[in-house]
Amino acid sequence: GDSVTQMEGPVTLSEEAFLTINCTYTATGYPSLFWYVQYPGEGLQLLLKATKADDKGSNKGFEATYRKETTSFHLEKGSVQVSDSAVYFCALSDRANTGKLIFGQGTTLQVKP
Amino acid sequence: GAVVSQHPSWVICKSGTSVKIECRSLDFQATTMFWYRQFPKQSLMLMATSNEGSKATYEQGVEKDKFLINHASLTLSTLTVTSAHPEDSSFYICSARVTGGDRSGYTFGSGTRLTVV
Repeated sequence: GDSVTQMEGPVTLSEEAFLTINCTYTATGYPSLFWYVQYPGEGLQLLLKATKADDKGSNKGFEATYRKETTSFHLEKGSVQVSDSAVYFCALSDRANTGKLIFGQGTTLQVKP
Repeated sequence: GAVVSQHPSWVICKSGTSVKIECRSLDFQATTMFWYRQFPKQSLMLMATSNEGSKATYEQGVEKDKFLINHASLTLSTLTVTSAHPEDSSFYICSARVTGGDRSGYTFGSGTRLTVV
């Protein structure tokens, strides 16, 4: 079945460092891909998304490009802030349009001042 | 726009009692809602899909008699954890799919932290 694999955390960075969180997927067809962020004690918020190959999603300085050839959707940010500390989830939704989201295991990011 | 309100945000209950969690779509109609469960430091696992006016679809391994889902209107879905036990303690999150226009996508409730003592 469809699945999402993220790099294991926690990831600890200093403020203004470059961030990459790897995400790869396995799916039949061409799913839509998402990154969600979860701050402590809160629900999930959509960070960015891409719906087809080569699309780049971006928001709040974060970017991710849908790479069909490598089945990847890596999250990047050029300069992280302490306020970016959270758990990040990569997810896909299948083209069968069931509406289900399949999540990766989440990556905890801690940014130190 | 496309807000889902989930209540309560946290609840503590005694073993053997039942707990109801509500999710309301505030500014759109949600024909389908999804219920997820998240264990500490783990990912979200889909429990069931609730459909307005029909029976919910449960994922494999989820006890439908224990996790009762009702989706009686286009703006309200409820999850009732019946005869709760400590192993049911978890973070439960609902989600709705928004279709059409700029708001299309998935929106999540803020989650309910259930602690069974």
